[in-house]
Amino acid sequence: GENVEQHPSTLSVQEGDSAVIKCTYSDSASNYFPWYKQELGKRPQLIIDIRSNVGEKKDQRIAVTLNKTAKHFSLHITETQPEDSAVYFCAASNGFGNEKLTFGTGTRLTIIP
Amino acid sequence: DGGITQSPKYLFRKEGQNVTLSCEQNLNHDAMYWYRQDPGQGLRLIYYSQIVNDFQKGDIAEGYSVSREKKESFPLTVTSAQKNPTAFYLCASTPDRGNQPQHFGDGTRLSIL
Repeated sequence: GENVEQHPSTLSVQEGDSAVIKCTYSDSASNYFPWYKQELGKRPQLIIDIRSNVGEKKDQRIAVTLNKTAKHFSLHITETQPEDSAVYFCAASNGFGNEKLTFGTGTRLTIIP
Repeated sequence: DGGITQSPKYLFRKEGQNVTLSCEQNLNHDAMYWYRQDPGQGLRLIYYSQIVNDFQKGDIAEGYSVSREKKESFPLTVTSAQKNPTAFYLCASTPDRGNQPQHFGDGTRLSIL
């Protein structure tokens, strides 16, 4: 089955700096890669996703890059703000009649004012 | 998302007792999922259902059971066979069989008395 590894487990950055979270996956058939943000005690919320037919996607301060050859994808947050503090999860799915998402173990991001 | 309702928010289980967690969605989504979240382990899939009257085991199905008698409902029973049930349980749904973002409920926190 799919295995998703996520690094780092914790990350602290100064407000205004950039944050990068990296994930690797094992199943070369995986073709859908979402990122979720979860604030303490709340539901995970989708912040961005990418499909295997593109290498990069941006949405304002958030971007995701995908390297299918190396089987890794990354979340980039620029101009970080205190409200970016949360736990971020990456996930992967192959979508061939099996939409199971396999999640990474999460990164706790803390933005230092 | 307001379209997925989990209840109760907090639940306590006694030793040897079965408890049922409710998940209802009014999004007309075909697929529904149950995840367990433990600190430092991300989200792990318990069961999922892609269509009414059908469901599949996820990665950690032992000690759990589900039913999908109606499209909008996917209850999870934590049986006495689950020896370590204390966790945060999240229900999610997606519109169809394609790669679509999963929408999560607010979760149920289950604890042992």
